[in-house]
Amino acid sequence: GQQVMQIPQYQHVQEGEDFTTYCNSSTTLSNIQWYKQRPGGHPVFLIQLVKSGEVKKQKRLTFQFGEAKKNSSLHITATQTTDVGTYFCAGPVSGGSNYKLTFGKGTLLTVNP
Amino acid sequence: DAGVIQSPRHEVTEMGQEVTLRCKPISGHDYLFWYRQTMMRGLELLIYFNNNVPIDDSGMPEDRFSAKMPNASFSTLKIQPSEPRDSAVYFCASSLLGQGHQPQHFGDGTRLSIL
Repeated sequence: GQQVMQIPQYQHVQEGEDFTTYCNSSTTLSNIQWYKQRPGGHPVFLIQLVKSGEVKKQKRLTFQFGEAKKNSSLHITATQTTDVGTYFCAGPVSGGSNYKLTFGKGTLLTVNP
Repeated sequence: DAGVIQSPRHEVTEMGQEVTLRCKPISGHDYLFWYRQTMMRGLELLIYFNNNVPIDDSGMPEDRFSAKMPNASFSTLKIQPSEPRDSAVYFCASSLLGQGHQPQHFGDGTRLSIL
């Protein structure tokens, strides 16, 4: 079945360092969504990318969607302790008008102040 | 605006007992999703509803799991009988109908422990 893989599984950085997480799909995605889950919290929607090669920015966060629409990345510039959490990518299950999302396993980011 | 509301927030019970998790989606949302999250398996979709109708329950692990949505503002996920391997965080999420896939709004989850 369709898989969405994320790397790395864990990333520990010093505050102020940059961070990147990568998402790869086994199939072409019509779009990709990113979510953030704080420790003990619930996933919160960050952004959706739809177009091939799309790049979107939210303050220190930069999201990219690959040209082939099979991979995506999230880059955080100059991390802060508030960035701590698990970042998930999610893509729609291929086929029809199915509203199912397949979530990656996530990248857990910890930031040392 | 109120988000997705789940209850209870925590549940600890002994194996064999019936467990009922509840969810109130965001008003006006057409889709409701039930997820299970564990360290080993990550976030798994169990079932989802569109306009109160179950669309895909292929993620429901066994017959011990059942879900209902009697109206647009309420859904339940029931486990009977419960087993220790059912221990997980269960999330409910809702979203709007729209072109493409709409963002999903998650509740705070129910942390379930089966002893």
